[in-house]
Amino acid sequence: QKEVEQNSGPLSVPEGAIASLNCTYSDRVSQSFFWYRQYSGKSPELIMSIYSNGDKEDGRFTAQLNKASQYVSLLIRDSQPSDSATYLCAVRGTSYDKVIFGPGTSLSVIP
Amino acid sequence: NAGVMQNPRHLVRRRGQEARLRCSPMKGHSHVYWYRQLPEEGLKFMVYLQKENIIDESGMPKERFSAEFPKEGPSILRIQQVVRGDSAAYFCASSVSSGGEAFFGQGTRLTVV
Repeated sequence: QKEVEQNSGPLSVPEGAIASLNCTYSDRVSQSFFWYRQYSGKSPELIMSIYSNGDKEDGRFTAQLNKASQYVSLLIRDSQPSDSATYLCAVRGTSYDKVIFGPGTSLSVIP
Repeated sequence: NAGVMQNPRHLVRRRGQEARLRCSPMKGHSHVYWYRQLPEEGLKFMVYLQKENIIDESGMPKERFSAEFPKEGPSILRIQQVVRGDSAAYFCASSVSSGGEAFFGQGTRLTVV
């Protein structure tokens, strides 16, 4: 059974701080990794995708992937109250595999 | 370029009725995924379809649930003889390729009374 694990939180950070969200996965051959943001009552919104080991930056967001450790993370710099949401880590094995989601981490940014 | 369109947004059914949920993928996308989300829970994979083919239905309950994605028209998730436990948000996502990024629709909130 392929699994994706995340700390459920809630994670609270003050406005302007760095929020660090972590995710581990069980399928060693996984190739595609995604971070989604979901506001309460809304649908998931894709933030970033990452496919290779290392860091990928997009604005205030940085995704980090370490396939050897089966670990992927998301850093949010200069956190804003509008970043308060649930962050979902998602993993796909190979092409034509389903995308499996973790349970999500609830982030609260305190003004 | 319209996003993934799901309808209806809200659906109320009595126990024993049928529910039909529709999903039109983004233009140019031929891969569709259906997920179910219970309140305060994560997204659970149900089925992955490509035009006219079911790629992976390992998350679909064996009875009462079916899905299709015909050559023409939207993908349909069909739930027969609904029960209260079917009440949930059902999300559809689409991608342009088998390994591509998946984008979600607004979801259908199904309530069984």
